[in-house]
Amino acid sequence: AQKVTQAQTEISVVEKEDVTLDCVYETRDTTYYLFWYKQPPSGELVFLIRRNSFDEQNEISGRYSWNFQKSTSSFNFTITASQVVDSAVYFCALGGSGGGADGLTFGKGTHLIIQP
Amino acid sequence: DAGVIQSPRHEVTEMGQEVTLRCKPISGHDYLFWYRQTMMRGLELLIYFNNNVPIDDSGMPEDRFSAKMPNASFSTLKIQPSEPRDSAVYFCASSFTPAGGYYGYTFGSGTRLTVV
Repeated sequence: AQKVTQAQTEISVVEKEDVTLDCVYETRDTTYYLFWYKQPPSGELVFLIRRNSFDEQNEISGRYSWNFQKSTSSFNFTITASQVVDSAVYFCALGGSGGGADGLTFGKGTHLIIQP
Repeated sequence: DAGVIQSPRHEVTEMGQEVTLRCKPISGHDYLFWYRQTMMRGLELLIYFNNNVPIDDSGMPEDRFSAKMPNASFSTLKIQPSEPRDSAVYFCASSFTPAGGYYGYTFGSGTRLTVV
C-alpha cells in the first residue's frame, strides 16, 4: 500500500522567511512519481511539480525548490523569501508504477500561513 | 486549452435528491479521475477511467455513487439518493500517459456539494 505523510499540519511564518514543507512517502514500487500541489483559499488544486523516482536531482523554480532523497523517502518543498500570496494548503502526492493508471495518493496537506 | 472543466461549481441539494456532477477533461487526455475532498478523509480517489472505460471503482463509497464516461470529452458522477455525509468538494482530473508518467495531471476547479 502507498502512503504519504505530511507531519506538519500548519506552519505560520512571517513574510520573507524561508519555509520547508516536509513530505515522507511509502511505496513498494521501484518506479513511482511524486507531486506537489497548491490549494489556495479559492479551492482549486494547482500543479507545482512532478518528479519520477529515477530523477533524484533537486529542482529549483524561482523561489520554490524541491529536495528529493530516496534514502529517506522524502520529497521536501522549500519556499525562499516567502510572500503572503504563498499562503495556501500544500499537498504532496504519490503515484505508483502504473504511470498514471492508478490515481494519486495524497498526504493530508500542510496549511501554510504567511503573515505580513 | 481551457483545462479540466467541472460543473456546477456549487451545488446545494436536499437529502434524498439525485445529484449529478459533470466533468470535461482536457482534449487528448486518456485518463480521467474523480476525487473527493473532505476535512476528515482528505483527498481520496473514487474512480478512474482509461479511454472511457472504468478501470478501478474501489474508492466509490457506496452503491449510491455511480460514474460514467460516455465519450472522451465528458464524464458524470451521480449520487442517488444523496445524504448529508456526501457533502464535500468533488474534483475531476485528467492526464495523458503515452508510456506512463502522469503527464499533464490536471485538476478541475471542483464542485462543492452541500446536502442539507
